[in-house]
Amino acid sequence: GESVGLHLPTLSVQEGDNSIINCAYSNSASDYFIWYKQESGKGPQFIIDIRSNMDKRQGQRVTVLLNKTVKHLSLQIAATQPGDSAVYFCAGGTGAGTASKLTFGTGTRLQVTL
Amino acid sequence: NAGVMQNPRHLVRRRGQEARLRCSPMKGHSHVYWYRQLPEEGLKFMVYLQKENIIDESGMPKERFSAEFPKEGPSILRIQQVVRGDSAAYFCASSPIRQSSYNEQFFGPGTRLTVL
Repeated sequence: GESVGLHLPTLSVQEGDNSIINCAYSNSASDYFIWYKQESGKGPQFIIDIRSNMDKRQGQRVTVLLNKTVKHLSLQIAATQPGDSAVYFCAGGTGAGTASKLTFGTGTRLQVTL
Repeated sequence: NAGVMQNPRHLVRRRGQEARLRCSPMKGHSHVYWYRQLPEEGLKFMVYLQKENIIDESGMPKERFSAEFPKEGPSILRIQQVVRGDSAAYFCASSPIRQSSYNEQFFGPGTRLTVL
């Protein structure tokens, strides 16, 4: 869900290791969830999405897991690379076939160390 | 196909001045969203527009802020009599409408507003 914080939580991962970024949401009405990557000075970039009727979806090097029971979403990045360093946000939306606002989480900063 | 375009990328205003932020959606997209991002925070929804219509403005401050998406030209987010608290990054996103699935929003690079 949404929360306001002064400092983003940071996850430090060594290059080549797997990363797991977590997100808790509060809106049970969300029909889908999206993970965005935001690099410094840029807009959010789509990574992967998942519908609320799914519990897992895989992309290239990324996997999103959805646990509706505990309202938890995670993004797994395999073989993390320096280019993965960024802030990652989860966002929820409603309504297939319509357009709706996205509700963003607080975000997690991923730092990849060499 | 050019992505979502926003200008200016950086805007400096003194307190009391007006700020105008422009957003050109992706070709073929008829829906525009504006979000605000404070440092170290997530994006907060402000307003959602279609051509010539405001669909959802539940995130817009009641005063000084307005948005439009005219039939021709870009969407404009207008902030009158800016205050220091308006300093933030303002992002625009656009989406098409597909009846069979949700409508992915594509984000622009943002306008960073600094109020002195």
